[in-house]
Amino acid sequence: QKEVEQDPGPLSVPEGAIVSLNCTYSNSAFQYFMWYRQYSRKGPELLMYTYSSGNKEDGRFTAQVDKSSKYISLFIRDSQPSDSATYLCAMSAGTGGFKTIFGAGTRLFVKA
Amino acid sequence: DVKVTQSSRYLVKRTGEKVFLECVQDMDHENMFWYRQDPGLGLRLIYFSYDVKMKEKGDIPEGYSVSREKKERFSLILESASTNQTSMYLCASSSNNLGQTSYEQYFGPGTRLTVT
Repeated sequence: QKEVEQDPGPLSVPEGAIVSLNCTYSNSAFQYFMWYRQYSRKGPELLMYTYSSGNKEDGRFTAQVDKSSKYISLFIRDSQPSDSATYLCAMSAGTGGFKTIFGAGTRLFVKA
Repeated sequence: DVKVTQSSRYLVKRTGEKVFLECVQDMDHENMFWYRQDPGLGLRLIYFSYDVKMKEKGDIPEGYSVSREKKERFSLILESASTNQTSMYLCASSSNNLGQTSYEQYFGPGTRLTVT
């Protein structure tokens, strides 16, 4: 079993839809939870970061962590075609450095 | 603006060739990483370095070696390329804040390597 499971998609939604992206994990020691966004032919870039459980909001993006269920989510409100990208969840037991485990990534298409 | 650059965007090599992938960061970061990215498998850590001339194996180091002679430069070496090393290779860097490794990694654009 992989430490981090993420549905690769692809996920296709109309512009303006609410998008929900999810990951499950098995290592209860994970405390740092990240979402990276990767556009085609580019490297990933950090989108959201959450420490331990709870919610974090940044504009149209909300990250949720449920440690009791070992489940994290990224919500995108009012999705735009520019949100079309691959979204990778990532998590770490320490301060995120050497042993960050990445999910496989979910490919998202937002249609105009 | 933070910058991680990789020497090539696309590379085609033959089986058995020695391959060098170069990565340079301009952020004075202590830590540098090499990952490979394959469909369905995500990013897998090959090697990382937390200081000049220091290196640690990641999850899949077999068939690879690394070199870090200068703080800003981290090289990945495929001693004898094989077809199963065809992949996207991503370099990343991160800083140490107050003695702790930052959770944020900055990635280069990647090198798509094809071994035929």
